Amino acid sequence: GNSVTQMEGPVTLSEEAFLTINCTYTATGYPSLFWYVQYPGEGLQLLLKATKADDKGSNKGFEATYRKETTSFHLEKGSVQVSDSAVYFCALSDPTGNQFYFGTGTSLTVIP
Amino acid sequence: DGGITQSPKYLFRKEGQNVTLSCEQNLNHDAMYWYRQDPGQGLRLIYYSQIVNDFQKGDIAEGYSVSREKKESFPLTVTSAQKNPTAFYLCASSIEARAETQYFGPGTRLLVL
Repeated sequence: GNSVTQMEGPVTLSEEAFLTINCTYTATGYPSLFWYVQYPGEGLQLLLKATKADDKGSNKGFEATYRKETTSFHLEKGSVQVSDSAVYFCALSDPTGNQFYFGTGTSLTVIP
Repeated sequence: DGGITQSPKYLFRKEGQNVTLSCEQNLNHDAMYWYRQDPGQGLRLIYYSQIVNDFQKGDIAEGYSVSREKKESFPLTVTSAQKNPTAFYLCASSIEARAETQYFGPGTRLLVL
């Protein structure tokens, strides 16, 4: 079956620190992979995506590379800001069906 | 501005009462989805609709009902059969059922009095 596993939080970093949030997946076929971000009290916003192996998605200084050999899609940012504080969700789109599968979310707090 | 709107932002339900959450999109998307989010957990799919007048149960459909009479609207009713309805409810849409990206509304928080 399809599933997404991401590192548990919460994660607390100082401003300008390096961020990695791990995400691994299990899927049949060749899924598309996503990172969504959720700010407090709001819905999810698409942060970045990658649709095939070795693709790199990037946006707002965040990036993630679709690694088929390790079934991973880790989120990274070189220098986090206070405004990056949010919950980050890794997700996959099942290419054989019409469902998304979300990880449990990782809460990030960046302190000045 | 195209997007997804959900109303109300907060909703209170009394015991034994049905309540309906609104979801409207003006993106001309065919597919729409309802998710439930509980604290510290991921999103769980309640119902989805690939096209007007059609919908399917997701992973946790018990105690919920939906309708899809118009392309732009996908209301969710939380019935009295749902014994633990307190949660954050998110509506989403995508261009088509097998689209790569889902777009989310701002959510409705349902609380039980």
